[in-house]
Amino acid sequence: DAGITQSPRHKVTETGTPVTLRCHQTENHRYMYWYRQDPGHGLRLIHYSYGVKDTDKGEVSDGYSVSRSKTEDFLLTLESATSSQTSVYFCAISTGQVNNEQFFGPGTRLTVL
Amino acid sequence: DQQVKQNSPSLSVQEGRISILNCDYTNSMFDYFLWYKKYPAEGPTFLISISSIKDKNEDGRFTVFLNKSAKHLSLHIVPSQPGDSAVYFCAASDSGAGSYQLTFGKGTKLSVIP
Repeated sequence: DAGITQSPRHKVTETGTPVTLRCHQTENHRYMYWYRQDPGHGLRLIHYSYGVKDTDKGEVSDGYSVSRSKTEDFLLTLESATSSQTSVYFCAISTGQVNNEQFFGPGTRLTVL
Repeated sequence: DQQVKQNSPSLSVQEGRISILNCDYTNSMFDYFLWYKKYPAEGPTFLISISSIKDKNEDGRFTVFLNKSAKHLSLHIVPSQPGDSAVYFCAASDSGAGSYQLTFGKGTKLSVIP
């Protein structure tokens, strides 16, 4: 299994509070991604990173920010959580080589009350 | 606009029979396709992939077929086993885009009945 961990694995928070999710990899892969999974929507890309301090938006980036200060860590921040951000969040990594798959972490279940 | 479509939300198959999961795409720039398998409370795991230069790729019980003219791919599982019961996601990538992003379908839940 690819060395990807996510923390926390579960979190319950209240509307309006800031939340940060962490993804940590031990594979030294260049690319890291944040997805959310919701019933009826599959996996949707929030943000991705192609190197330290290099990030870009995905399909559903509104309300989220990211940071990558080290190769191994990719943080996803909800500045002011809303109930619509209740979801399961997955981090993924890839080497960035052409035709390489992404490897996924175990996920974080976030509930915003 | 959904670029990768899995039109069957669920599929039930008897153990030992063939499971066929379908996926359609609309973006003609997609040239690499993947299937992921997901169990509850776990992250998706890579299953099999195919490049647009091929029309078939096989790995054990799993075979993926690609029909570029129809913008359609399918995953065949033969024989199906109860442990194959999971949600299967089809994904596509445009290797020329440089971001190596994957666009996912909504998934098909496969139930293999013993």
